[in-house]
Amino acid sequence: GDSVTQMEGPVTLSEEAFLTINCTYTATGYPSLFWYVQYPGEGLQLLLKATKADDKGSNKGFEATYRKETTSFHLEKGSVQVSDSAVYFCALRMYTGGFKTIFGAGTRLFVKA
Amino acid sequence: DVKVTQSSRYLVKRTGEKVFLECVQDMDHENMFWYRQDPGLGLRLIYFSYDVKMKEKGDIPEGYSVSREKKERFSLILESASTNQTSMYLCASSPPQGRRHSHTEAFFGQGTRLTVV
Repeated sequence: GDSVTQMEGPVTLSEEAFLTINCTYTATGYPSLFWYVQYPGEGLQLLLKATKADDKGSNKGFEATYRKETTSFHLEKGSVQVSDSAVYFCALRMYTGGFKTIFGAGTRLFVKA
Repeated sequence: DVKVTQSSRYLVKRTGEKVFLECVQDMDHENMFWYRQDPGLGLRLIYFSYDVKMKEKGDIPEGYSVSREKKERFSLILESASTNQTSMYLCASSPPQGRRHSHTEAFFGQGTRLTVV
């Protein structure tokens, strides 16, 4: 079935380090891909998205490219800040007789000053 | 600014109690969702609704029911709370989309952390 796999956390980085959070998916069709972020004590909010192969989503210095050939949507940021500490969820959304969103398990990021 | 509001941030209930979790959105969205979030399991869909008085089971509906009497409000009901329903519950809404428009994101509430003792 359709699924999303993220790298396990927690990920601990120092401020200004480079971030990569891996995400791969399995889908029978052509999904849209999303990264959501959940800051402590809050709900999820959309970080970025890509709707077709080779699209790059970007926001707040984060980027992810929809790679159909490797079924991946890895999240990257060149220089993380303490305020980026949060849980990051990769998700796919597709139509299979009805719309369905499938979330990954989430990756917790800690950024140290 | 879009807003999804869940009535409680924290709840503590006793085993066997009937529990209501309320969610209100002010965006006139047709679709509303209830998820639970557990460590290592991500978000799992409990129920969703695509219109007033309409509901569909998600992946883990057992032990839950829902009510959508008005477009802006979607309630999750635990008929008889059990300790394994201790979790973070997240409500979300999204506008409708045609088959070709799967890229619309969902908007989430801040979550309700429910503890059943």
